[in-house]
Amino acid sequence: DQQVKQNSPSLSVQEGRISILNCDYTNSMFDYFLWYKKYPAEGPTFLISISSIKDKNEDGRFTVFLNKSAKHLSLHIVPSQPGDSAVYFCAASYVTGNQFYFGTGTSLTVIP
Amino acid sequence: DAGITQSPRHKVTETGTPVTLRCHQTENHRYMYWYRQDPGHGLRLIHYSYGVKDTDKGEVSDGYSVSRSKTEDFLLTLESATSSQTSVYFCAIRSGTGGNQPQHFGDGTRLSIL
Repeated sequence: DQQVKQNSPSLSVQEGRISILNCDYTNSMFDYFLWYKKYPAEGPTFLISISSIKDKNEDGRFTVFLNKSAKHLSLHIVPSQPGDSAVYFCAASYVTGNQFYFGTGTSLTVIP
Repeated sequence: DAGITQSPRHKVTETGTPVTLRCHQTENHRYMYWYRQDPGHGLRLIHYSYGVKDTDKGEVSDGYSVSRSKTEDFLLTLESATSSQTSVYFCAIRSGTGGNQPQHFGDGTRLSIL
């Protein structure tokens, strides 16, 4: 059973606007969450993470929000750029755990 | 780059043949992982290693075996390849589990089994 879900397979956004990618999880024991970005023919690249003791983490144009009560996290990209067009995966883990659990990915297209 | 090399990058083989994929790291990281990526499934863990000769199964381990005889190399073997194992395979490394430690991925091996 999928413990981490990304219900939107794709998203299109105009350049300069905000992109919001969503992720839901079912296991309340997860306490470490990550976003990865993947271009075609390349491996996923770590983007940003958040631990469960925070509800927001920001790195430049990228902000991740965590709502533990809703078991929901989101990635905001502001402003969106054409180079942000990629597949984005969310992942979850226990801080002391060995494994990561990945969502199915959301393909973001930023339209110039 | 995280110092991860996967080989081969592409391979086409026939059903029933053995296949071995190699992951080599130069970071001296303790943890190494093998994933497969398939449409509609995202990244699914096959096996991982938490040290030399220490390995454990992931969620899709059937039909796969692994070996880690030295820190830098993690091998994934398909003993008798099947068409359902056609996929893109990614290796990842992680320095440890304490604190916030992300995984870092190689560029993948595209495997086609005819």
